[in-house]
Amino acid sequence: QKEVEQNSGPLSVPEGAIASLNCTYSDRGSQSFFWYRQYSGKSPELIMFIYSNGDKEDGRFTAQLNKASQYVSLLIRDSQPSDSATYLCAAQDFGNEKLTFGTGTRLTIIP
Amino acid sequence: DVKVTQSSRYLVKRTGEKVFLECVQDMDHENMFWYRQDPGLGLRLIYFSYDVKMKEKGDIPEGYSVSREKKERFSLILESASTNQTSMYLCASSPPLGSSYNEQFFGPGTRLTVL
Repeated sequence: QKEVEQNSGPLSVPEGAIASLNCTYSDRGSQSFFWYRQYSGKSPELIMFIYSNGDKEDGRFTAQLNKASQYVSLLIRDSQPSDSATYLCAAQDFGNEKLTFGTGTRLTIIP
Repeated sequence: DVKVTQSSRYLVKRTGEKVFLECVQDMDHENMFWYRQDPGLGLRLIYFSYDVKMKEKGDIPEGYSVSREKKERFSLILESASTNQTSMYLCASSPPLGSSYNEQFFGPGTRLTVL
């Protein structure tokens, strides 16, 4: 059974600080990784995806992937109250259309 | 903009009823998915379709069936609703592998309550 694990939180971070969200995966065949943000009562929306080892930056967001350690993270710089949401990590195997989701980390940005 | 729509935002049904949840996407995506989302359990895949009339079981297909007669529409059917099927149901679509992007786009969700 493929597993994607996330700390459920809640994770509380002061406004303006860096929020760090972590995710580990069990299947070494996983190739691509997705970070979704889900506001309360809303559906998930994609923030970033990453498939190469290293860092990928998009504005205030940086995704990091370490395939040797089977570890993915999302950093949010200059955290804003609007970043308060649940963040879902998902893994995709090579050649597979399906995603395996973690249970999500609830992030609260404290003004 | 990609748009995935679901027929109802909220639905209340009685135990034993047959329930239809409809999902429509307007991006000509090949792939469509049905998930349920429960607190502490995350998103779990019920069924997946990669083409018209093609379907594949996900992780929790028991008690559900699906229908995809047209590319843009994917229906989830609860043959005989039970209280343990009370949940948030999310539909998603995505282009095929090999596209420049492969993200799944989600609909707004249907919160189903079975009494």
